[in-house]
Amino acid sequence: QQQVKQSPQSLIVQKGGISIINCAYENTAFDYFPWYQQFPGKGPALLIAIRPDVSEKKEGRFTISFNKSAKQFSLHIMDSQPGDSATYFCAASRGNDMRFGAGTRLTVKP
Amino acid sequence: DTAVSQTPKYLVTQMGNDKSIKCEQNLGHDTMYWYKQDSKKFLKIMFSYNNKELIINETVPNRFSPKSPDKAHLNLHINSLELGDSAVYFCASSPQTGSNTGELFFGEGSRLTVL
Repeated sequence: QQQVKQSPQSLIVQKGGISIINCAYENTAFDYFPWYQQFPGKGPALLIAIRPDVSEKKEGRFTISFNKSAKQFSLHIMDSQPGDSATYFCAASRGNDMRFGAGTRLTVKP
Repeated sequence: DTAVSQTPKYLVTQMGNDKSIKCEQNLGHDTMYWYKQDSKKFLKIMFSYNNKELIINETVPNRFSPKSPDKAHLNLHINSLELGDSAVYFCASSPQTGSNTGELFFGEGSRLTVL
């Protein structure tokens, strides 16, 4: 049973556009919500993360929006660049137990 | 310096064989993990060790046995390999026990192909 649901499965965006990836979680005990970025042949790497006491976090072109009551959070990539093309995973964790969404393959076309 | 290193990077073997994947982290972290990434890219937690003690053991066949000789190493041994074991296996580590910092540091993965 997947504890974190992610959509869309794949996303194609033009250079300069906004990429939006959505996630929903079931377990209200989760207290940390990171996003990971994975390039082909590499391991996932932390991109940005949020805790449920804030509704938004921005780092450069990347923003997480968090809706605790709806148990949803999303990643927005502003001014998307071809170098952003990768697979993105949302995750939710409590303690040492981190569960991942199914991933979104983002392609940014030049 | 590689923070989380796994060996081998690629492993091709026959069904029924036994194989091991090794992982080492030089970050001084307390907790280490094994994740399995299938062909659809889904990342599934398999095991988590904290200071050599098993703390998470998901529904994984008994053919998979993790071993942590010290807190910097977590190896994965797989017996009687099956076709469905073909995947990329990622080792990861995180810095704190209990209190969650959230960030996992992943190795580059070990791609296992069972023929």
